[in-house]
Amino acid sequence: DIQMTQSPSSVSASVGDRVTITCRASQGIRSWLAWYQQKPGKAPKLLIYTASSLQSGVPSRFSGSGSGTDFTLTISSLQPEDFATYYCQQANSFPLTFGGGTKVEIK
Amino acid sequence: QVQLVESGGGVVQPGRSLRLSCAASEFTFSTYGMHWVRQAPGKGLEWVAVMWFDESNKYYADSVKGRFTISRDNSKNTLYLQMNSLRAEDTAVYYCAREVGSTSCYGMDVWGQGTTVSVSS
Repeated sequence: DIQMTQSPSSVSASVGDRVTITCRASQGIRSWLAWYQQKPGKAPKLLIYTASSLQSGVPSRFSGSGSGTDFTLTISSLQPEDFATYYCQQANSFPLTFGGGTKVEIK
Repeated sequence: QVQLVESGGGVVQPGRSLRLSCAASEFTFSTYGMHWVRQAPGKGLEWVAVMWFDESNKYYADSVKGRFTISRDNSKNTLYLQMNSLRAEDTAVYYCAREVGSTSCYGMDVWGQGTTVSVSS
């Protein structure tokens, strides 16, 4: 199985900050990576698929990059509604696997 | 609007069975792959199973293989998860989610609100 490792596990940031979250796959997954945002008590929301494609309706301050084993999710200017937990997920092969999550907290 | 609504969760004893349902509306259910994803209390997301739009293929997480069965009824716009031989570690919120692709995985773009399964004696 492909292991997905996210870092950091949590980050404290202020409104307006640039935030970068990293996801590393245990083996190459080409560009088969998705990013999700989850708020407490809510279902996850798809932000990015195929590593860098922005899902319809998602603000352009979110962007994704990377291929192979190393990927990043960047929030260019953190907004109050962005405080949440973020997960990466590989879609290269079964079983699909998620990263452990990165909690973005208010500084 | 596009919607997925799960049902069927509850409290069940270890070793027993439960069937979850996921009713889809306002999109052409029969043209999308569909997933089940779960989240144990206070934990991260765990993918459980997927079925392609035409039932041609289904895949499972190792942790549920042989115990859980994913199925769908395209005439009823409904996805199912039959869960047998339940264990305490199956306790979680179970989400159904729509796959962006029909026979390839890109990401899950529509999610239900989740249904809670608690396995306890």
